[in-house]
Amino acid sequence: DIQMTQSPSSVSASVGDRVTITCRASQGISSWLAWYQQKPGKAPKLLIYAASSLQSGVPSRFSGSGSGTGFTLTISSLQPEDFATYYCQQANSFPNTFGQGTKLEIK
Amino acid sequence: QLQLQESGPGLVKPSETLSLTCTVSGGSISSTSYYWGWIRQPPGKGLEWIGSIYSSGSTYYNPSLKSRVTISVDTSKNQFSLILSSVTAADTAVYFCARRGDYGRSFDYWGQGTLVTVSS
Repeated sequence: DIQMTQSPSSVSASVGDRVTITCRASQGISSWLAWYQQKPGKAPKLLIYAASSLQSGVPSRFSGSGSGTGFTLTISSLQPEDFATYYCQQANSFPNTFGQGTKLEIK
Repeated sequence: QLQLQESGPGLVKPSETLSLTCTVSGGSISSTSYYWGWIRQPPGKGLEWIGSIYSSGSTYYNPSLKSRVTISVDTSKNQFSLILSSVTAADTAVYFCARRGDYGRSFDYWGQGTLVTVSS
């Protein structure tokens, strides 16, 4: 199985800050990586697919990059509604695996 | 707009079988190119992929659960189902159904999730 490791596990930031979350795969997954946002009591929401493609309707302050084993999710200017938990997921092969999550908290 | 809705018992006894159904509306489950999957989340923890099924009926399961999991599809009802046998307290979780879409093999549509508690 491919292991996905996110860092940091949690981060505190302020509205307007730029935040970057990292996801590393235990083996190469090309660009088969997705990022999700999850708020308490809600289903995850797809933000980024294929490592860098923005899902329809997602604000352009979200961006993704990377390929192979290293990936990043960047939020260019945090908005109040962005405080949530973020997960990466590899889609290269079954079993699909998720990172452990990064909780983005208000400073 | 595609919608997914999970249904099933919210309480299951240890050693018994958990059964959930996901009803798809606003689109056909028989559409090619899509996989339909189950993902779970124990309280306060992260996401775990359980398995996926293709419209043709091909299935893929998480090896950690494979001996206990069955996913099936009923195209006549536009539903797919999850069966998890011999449950323990460790299977207590919110269970989500989702569609793996065309783009990037990612889960683009999700149900709201249903909490299943394993307890006597």
